Amino acid sequence: GESVGLHLPTLSVQEGDNSIINCAYSNSASDYFIWYKQESGKGPQFIIDIRSNMDKRQGQRVTVLLNKTVKHLSLQIAATQPGDSAVYFCAEAIGGTSYGKLTFGQGTILTVHP
Amino acid sequence: NAGVMQNPRHLVRRRGQEARLRCSPMKGHSHVYWYRQLPEEGLKFMVYLQKENIIDESGMPKERFSAEFPKEGPSILRIQQVVRGDSAAYFCASSTGTGDEKLFFGSGTQLSVL
Repeated sequence: GESVGLHLPTLSVQEGDNSIINCAYSNSASDYFIWYKQESGKGPQFIIDIRSNMDKRQGQRVTVLLNKTVKHLSLQIAATQPGDSAVYFCAEAIGGTSYGKLTFGQGTILTVHP
Repeated sequence: NAGVMQNPRHLVRRRGQEARLRCSPMKGHSHVYWYRQLPEEGLKFMVYLQKENIIDESGMPKERFSAEFPKEGPSILRIQQVVRGDSAAYFCASSTGTGDEKLFFGSGTQLSVL
């Protein structure tokens, strides 16, 4: 079936570097995308979201890019800090009443070295 | 403002016993979602509930699993006659359901079946 997947399962960066985490999705009907951060033993924490009528959205130190042509989503973290170390999941949803019914990707482990 | 509260954090059951997982949504949230996460995997949608109504249970196993969200009190995910394959982290999320699609997750219940 259609699903969300990630290209890179692990990513190691130095503190201060910029990080880019990628995600591919295959359900062309999806119109809402979210990035979550999950630390060990905790629930997913909302980072940033984007609707399909946008191709870029910025938050505090984070930017999400959406390329609908190739069904690709990315999360950019500026000036990565050790506290950013976690597993990052992209998720997709189809709108209407189903925004909370998310399909999660596999996850990327981000490790930030001091 | 307390977040999504789940209890217990850890639950150990023997095969054949029942497991009850509780979730209190964020204040002001009337929509609850349950997800299951196996080790090193993304979260998988199970069920979506509003007060006294099951909206979408397409992710629930056909047998032994049930969920409710009564008019008063927390949402309950119930697993009867647990088997080892039920061992997982179960996360609850809530939203306002008013068009703000952001889901806020609890810290989860780690179910271990011996």
